[in-house]
Amino acid sequence: DTGVSQDPRHKITKRGQNVTFRCDPISEHNRLYWYRQTLGQGPEFLTYFQNEAQLEKSRLLSDRFSAERPKGSFSTLEIQRTEQGDSAMYLCASSLGTSGFFGPGTRLTVL
Amino acid sequence: AQSVSQHNHHVILSEAASLELGCNYSYGGTVNLFWYVQYPGQHLQLLLKYFSGDPLVKGIKGFEAEFIKSKFSFNLRKPSVQWSDTAEYFCAVIPSTGGFKTIFGAGTRLFVKA
Repeated sequence: DTGVSQDPRHKITKRGQNVTFRCDPISEHNRLYWYRQTLGQGPEFLTYFQNEAQLEKSRLLSDRFSAERPKGSFSTLEIQRTEQGDSAMYLCASSLGTSGFFGPGTRLTVL
Repeated sequence: AQSVSQHNHHVILSEAASLELGCNYSYGGTVNLFWYVQYPGQHLQLLLKYFSGDPLVKGIKGFEAEFIKSKFSFNLRKPSVQWSDTAEYFCAVIPSTGGFKTIFGAGTRLFVKA
């Protein structure tokens, strides 16, 4: 499969727990993006990596959120002390320039 | 701030009706424009995109969109919808300096009655 993959596809957690999501981009893509999509809204930009460097973070990304891309390949997004407001679809995208592709997303439900 | 506005949040059509979904953006510079579709239970898929050239862009499944620079618009059209077009449609913009950092509209939910 040559597309963007995300794992897990669904995650249910209790409020206060930590969760981590993984994104595997298309192999030759040097840029990787995380977005969040809540019900009834379009995806909103969270953060972006070029290779292993995190170049931009949205104000939506509170201190409880951290993202890494340690070797410039896969990326992880961790949410600490989850809150019910974190329930959303977390989307990853990868690109080479302005041509990119979205992954299937991880749907997080915080109870 | 850069933004994308989609005028209709919900649209209901009968099969064979014509579709036009409005999209306007606010950004003064050069932009790349996209329409994505999200079928129920599926992930975002690219319908069509405009980077430059002919402002009338044809995409998959009979969809087309027209870029009107003077109106900052990129409306999506389809002459005759099918039940299988039931989905959510997102207009999106990438400012020319933005890499693939995409700004999405809120989406339009289309329901096509068989």
